[in-house]
Amino acid sequence: GAGVSQSPSNKVTEKGKDVELRCDPISGHTALYWYRQSLGQGLEFLIYFQGNSAPDKSGLPSDRFSAERTGGSVSTLTIQRTQQEDSAVYLCASSYSLLTATEAFFGQGTRLTVV
Amino acid sequence: GNSVTQMEGPVTLSEEAFLTINCTYTATGYPSLFWYVQYPGEGLQLLLKATKADDKGSNKGFEATYRKETTSFHLEKGSVQVSDSAVYFCALSEGAAGNKLTFGGGTRVLVKP
Repeated sequence: GAGVSQSPSNKVTEKGKDVELRCDPISGHTALYWYRQSLGQGLEFLIYFQGNSAPDKSGLPSDRFSAERTGGSVSTLTIQRTQQEDSAVYLCASSYSLLTATEAFFGQGTRLTVV
Repeated sequence: GNSVTQMEGPVTLSEEAFLTINCTYTATGYPSLFWYVQYPGEGLQLLLKATKADDKGSNKGFEATYRKETTSFHLEKGSVQVSDSAVYFCALSEGAAGNKLTFGGGTRVLVKP
């Protein structure tokens, strides 16, 4: 596609439910990143993928968070047993390489609200 | 670990005023430095970048110079427009870290006519 696409754009869920957030990166981009933007924490790195593997999961806040990427393309971020502190905007980005200074292109994000 | 500190906003300016947003960083290696911008209702976009000391990044009238001696990357624009109203994020990345970005807290800029 023309840009990084994320779905849904908004998600309201009840506490304790599981949610799946989807990211469709720019075609041909091998690197994919997930970040979280919240009022108290700013923009935080969660995880990145090189192809289908995730060398760095250090930013995932807890074991309720997981992510996968299939076919070197679409990625899904799953949050199990959601808590109110999970409310944030989840941003996905992709870049054609992992080389430093390669531009990352961001999607518009999924706004998650846990009630 | 790496960190980025930028001035808190909001910054409110009149059109044609001079804008400076301060950014300093802490990094273990030799990072690349970025300014990203988020316009209302839009996603984050790269504004400019610099990859080594004394490099100057520039775009859309904005400039920032990579100052290794002061570990800074301050963003400047000589004459802002209403359309520059946005949130600006300073960030760094290091190759050893898989090009993941470490962001500052963001600075909201509001330009009034």
